[in-house]
Amino acid sequence: QQQVKQSPQSLIVQKGGIPIINCAYENTAFDYFPWYQQFPGKGPALLIAIRPDVSEKKEGRFTISFNKSAKQFSLHIMDSQPGDSATYFCAAATTGANNLFFGTGTRLTVIP
Amino acid sequence: KAGVTQTPRYLIKTRGQQVTLSCSPISGHRSVSWYQQTPGQGLQFLFEYFSETQRNKGNFPGRFSGRQFSNSRSEMNVSTLELGDSALYLCASSLGRTSHNEQFFGPGTRLTVL
Repeated sequence: QQQVKQSPQSLIVQKGGIPIINCAYENTAFDYFPWYQQFPGKGPALLIAIRPDVSEKKEGRFTISFNKSAKQFSLHIMDSQPGDSATYFCAAATTGANNLFFGTGTRLTVIP
Repeated sequence: KAGVTQTPRYLIKTRGQQVTLSCSPISGHRSVSWYQQTPGQGLQFLFEYFSETQRNKGNFPGRFSGRQFSNSRSEMNVSTLELGDSALYLCASSLGRTSHNEQFFGPGTRLTVL
């Protein structure tokens, strides 16, 4: 069964818009939540990650919001650019365990 | 610092054959994890090696195996290939310390089974 559920499957926004990708999990043992960006023909690249002791983390134009009680977390991309067009994956793991459980991915298209 | 490298980048095999894929982690990283990526199943964890020992294993049949060498380089092997093994196989490296999870992926090996 899918341990991490991700939505939407695809997303189209205008340049400058703020796409939001949502993920939910069930396993309360998860305490590490990274987001990866993948371009065609490339491996996933670590974008930003959060642990449950904070509710929000920002790195550049990327922000993770985390709601521990709801077991949900989301990625916001501020001032999105055409170069952000890629597939985004959320994931979850427990500290020290390197088996990441991935969501199904969101294909983002940013229209110029 | 060089990133994770994987060889070969592309492979075509036929059913019943076996295949070996190679991964060189980032210098200083001691943990190597392998993932399978398919359109239908997404990214799925295969196994992780740390200090030449398998530390964790996903839910894949015994046809999938791996090993790690003393220089942290890793290989994975798939025996008796099936059509459903066609996938992008990704290797990820990390420091391996229990307090760190950050994994860095290589470009993958695209395996096609005919």
